[in-house]
Amino acid sequence: AAGVIQSPRHLIKEKRETATLKCYPIPRHDTVYWYQQGPGQDPQFLISFYEKMQSDKGSIPDRFSAQQFSDYHSELNMSSLELGDSALYFCASSGRDGVNEQYFGPGTRLTVT
Amino acid sequence: DAKTTQPPSMDCAEGRAANLPCNHSTISGNEYVYWYRQIHSQGPQYIIHGLKNNETNEMASLIITEDRKSSTLILPHATLRDTAVYYCIVNKGGNYGGSQGNLIFGKGTKLSVKP
Repeated sequence: AAGVIQSPRHLIKEKRETATLKCYPIPRHDTVYWYQQGPGQDPQFLISFYEKMQSDKGSIPDRFSAQQFSDYHSELNMSSLELGDSALYFCASSGRDGVNEQYFGPGTRLTVT
Repeated sequence: DAKTTQPPSMDCAEGRAANLPCNHSTISGNEYVYWYRQIHSQGPQYIIHGLKNNETNEMASLIITEDRKSSTLILPHATLRDTAVYYCIVNKGGNYGGSQGNLIFGKGTKLSVKP
């Protein structure tokens, strides 16, 4: 079965640079979630989109923005990168089945040097 | 903050049942109990969820107490590949608008399955 696709899988950036992470949800899933997992930490919710509209916002820095496109894929844009942004970034998708089973992608490992 | 409490770690012998407890004493009537697991640095994996009744699927069973203040995830025959951090999460579900669907991960239980 098709899973959530994230690209790139690994990304190395320098401080103050920008990065764009992409997420392709499972076909027919209309909701996308972004989570950040720092080293040794648990995943933290950043932001979510439903039908291309932002639906929830968590602890996402103002330097980050995201959107969901007409084909339901989503992009997380990160600017003015800081060392503390080094983390795993997971995207998850869910369908309109009413019980919110979220299916996670393999993640993008971002390293800021 | 997470609305659940789990033991930080547990061990289980391969082939035996792993019983992972979770306390969620402040759960609301319309909130589900979800279980996810994360195998080292992989994306979290959905396991099972329930509202009031016990549930079983191909991966696990979920036993929810009658007062819904606690639950137990049961892996009937644990294998080495079940070694992971297991998260018990309370969530409203009902994701039609996406709102409130985000998962709040607590510390979870690190399950180590040993040969």
